[in-house]
Amino acid sequence: GQQLNQSPQSMFIQEGEDVSMNCTSSSIFNTWLWYKQDPGEGPVLLIALYKAGELTSNGRLTAQFGITRKDSFLNISASIPSDVGIYFCAGLLKDSNYQLIWGAGTKLIIKP
Amino acid sequence: NAGVTQTPKFQVLKTGQSMTLQCAQDMNHNSMYWYRQDPGMGLRLIYYSASEGTTDKGEVPNGYNVSRLNKREFSLRLESAAPSQTSVYFCASSRGPAISYTFGSGTRLTVV
Repeated sequence: GQQLNQSPQSMFIQEGEDVSMNCTSSSIFNTWLWYKQDPGEGPVLLIALYKAGELTSNGRLTAQFGITRKDSFLNISASIPSDVGIYFCAGLLKDSNYQLIWGAGTKLIIKP
Repeated sequence: NAGVTQTPKFQVLKTGQSMTLQCAQDMNHNSMYWYRQDPGMGLRLIYYSASEGTTDKGEVPNGYNVSRLNKREFSLRLESAAPSQTSVYFCASSRGPAISYTFGSGTRLTVV
């Protein structure tokens, strides 16, 4: 099936550092979504992107819909302990029938 | 403001047993989804219901059945559980395709 390549798989960072992660594909997407999952919970939507080139912020988080429509990036500035969790990208393919395609996740760990 | 409620939260089954996972949403969403989450594989769609009265297969439907009981409720049934169905199951709902999915907190199922 269709695949999203999400990287990195995990990140170990110091509190206060900036974080970058991305998702890429060989397919074209109409929508990109970024979710965060805390342990024992379901994913929660962080940012939704609907247009190529769109750059959207949510507090310290910024995400971009790639101009080629085949990729998306999420940046977190000045990380804090509560940023720990798993971040997922998800995309709705052009001409899709409701099926979001999910990345495998990026696990963010903050070193004490 | 419950959102998406899943029951049970935990379940252990013996191989061959059957069970139904329940999901209800109180946001008047049209679409509902069942996902499974396995380590390192992100979220995989099992079945979805674009609107009341319709259901469709997702990426991994084998071994499962679903019922969209009404607009609020969407259940997932395992007729004869297998160890390969050990996973965390998430129900989600949305107003429409790829519009801000809201997830439940998950059901952790172990099949022994």
